[in-house]
Amino acid sequence: EVHLVESGGGLVKPGESLRLSCAASGFTFKAVWMTWVRQAPGKGLEWLGRIKGKASGETTDYTESVKGRFTISRDDSQNMLYLQMNSLTVDDTAVYYCTTVPNYGETIDHWGQGTLVTVSS
Amino acid sequence: DIQMTQSPSSLSASMGDRVTITCRASQGIGNSLAWFQQKPGKAPKSLIYGASNLHRGVPSKFSGSGSGTDFTLTISGLQPEDFATYYCLQYKNYPLTFGGGTKVDIK
Repeated sequence: EVHLVESGGGLVKPGESLRLSCAASGFTFKAVWMTWVRQAPGKGLEWLGRIKGKASGETTDYTESVKGRFTISRDDSQNMLYLQMNSLTVDDTAVYYCTTVPNYGETIDHWGQGTLVTVSS
Repeated sequence: DIQMTQSPSSLSASMGDRVTITCRASQGIGNSLAWFQQKPGKAPKSLIYGASNLHRGVPSKFSGSGSGTDFTLTISGLQPEDFATYYCLQYKNYPLTFGGGTKVDIK
């Protein structure tokens, strides 16, 4: 069974940095592309970015609102996915989810339970 | 970026009703459309991919249709566990973009 567990969320001040982690199990992590999605309180879902597997060069793509501030990376030896977030603003306050990308299309199938990031002075 | 417009933003329905939610893309996306269900305080759950294919374990009361720019999610025989918010997602182009969501609540 696929299991994704995010961690690393918390309260930070504007301008600070935070790194989120996602521990993956139940599947061959190195073969699977992964994404991060977030949801601001009371709002809809926002796709943040995707990282391909090593066989595809670990290529990343991001949405414009986080490009240059957020970086997705992975450690296949530890079955871990990361989201490094820099220059945080209050608009980055959200629950952050890691998800898997299925092999039948660049969509989303499995979701973690999410971790809350609050940016406030 | 491709804009995804969902309608209605909310609807009220009774147990046993059949409801339809629509999602319109700002440009053609073929059948690269997925649907998700989210209950309060929980992570989203994947329902449909490729516009009409059910994810494993999703009951057949859920169905999806459409291609190009116009898509629908239909839920037949509403049960208490179906009252939730539903989102569409286009995955034709990066960045992937979600619709604004449709909240289905009890009339």
